[in-house]
Amino acid sequence: QQQVKQSPQSLIVQKGGIPIINCAYENTAFDYFPWYQQFPGKGPALLIAIRPDVSEKKEGRFTISFNKSAKQFSLHIMDSQPGDSATYFCAASGGTGGFKTIFGAGTRLFVKA
Amino acid sequence: DTAVSQTPKYLVTQMGNDKSIKCEQNLGHDTMYWYKQDSKKFLKIMFSYNNKELIINETVPNRFSPKSPDKAHLNLHINSLELGDSAVYFCASSLDRGRQPQHFGDGTRLSIL
Repeated sequence: QQQVKQSPQSLIVQKGGIPIINCAYENTAFDYFPWYQQFPGKGPALLIAIRPDVSEKKEGRFTISFNKSAKQFSLHIMDSQPGDSATYFCAASGGTGGFKTIFGAGTRLFVKA
Repeated sequence: DTAVSQTPKYLVTQMGNDKSIKCEQNLGHDTMYWYKQDSKKFLKIMFSYNNKELIINETVPNRFSPKSPDKAHLNLHINSLELGDSAVYFCASSLDRGRQPQHFGDGTRLSIL
């Protein structure tokens, strides 16, 4: 019940494409859903986050869509660039285990020039 | 000015040795974490301290012992290192416990020979 399932494991898109990464969770007590971006040799960095009272949040080229009834959320990257090539992690926290953030398994994105 | 800094960046050592990793944050955050990232990039919480108090202690062998001398520092000591301990260890901090973005260091790559 504490898991966050992320797909796909890896993704290759052309420059300008719109990669979509999906996550699903079971614990309905989760109430904070961040996405992290990690470049090789670096730690994950917060990209964008959403709380379940909204269905969509945009920051620049990054959009989170949130479907509370389906317990799913996804990251869309508009006009993707080679510099977006990185590993992306979805995560969830809240509820009785509120101190703990559960990470998805990660998606390796490669954007071809 | 590095927000979350870890030392050393690389650690190569023999099986059976004892080693420590140090972490410091200058963000004024109350909560600090240790994560382990395996070769498949999976991120797993190990420990978390809030204002020097241990609040998360996952199922981690007791060879791993965290120590928080003050809220800006969280160190990790590992006794009797085993081959399976080879991984990248990340320190992170957040403003307080719970539903907050986490700021990660750049990791310590531990290799056991």
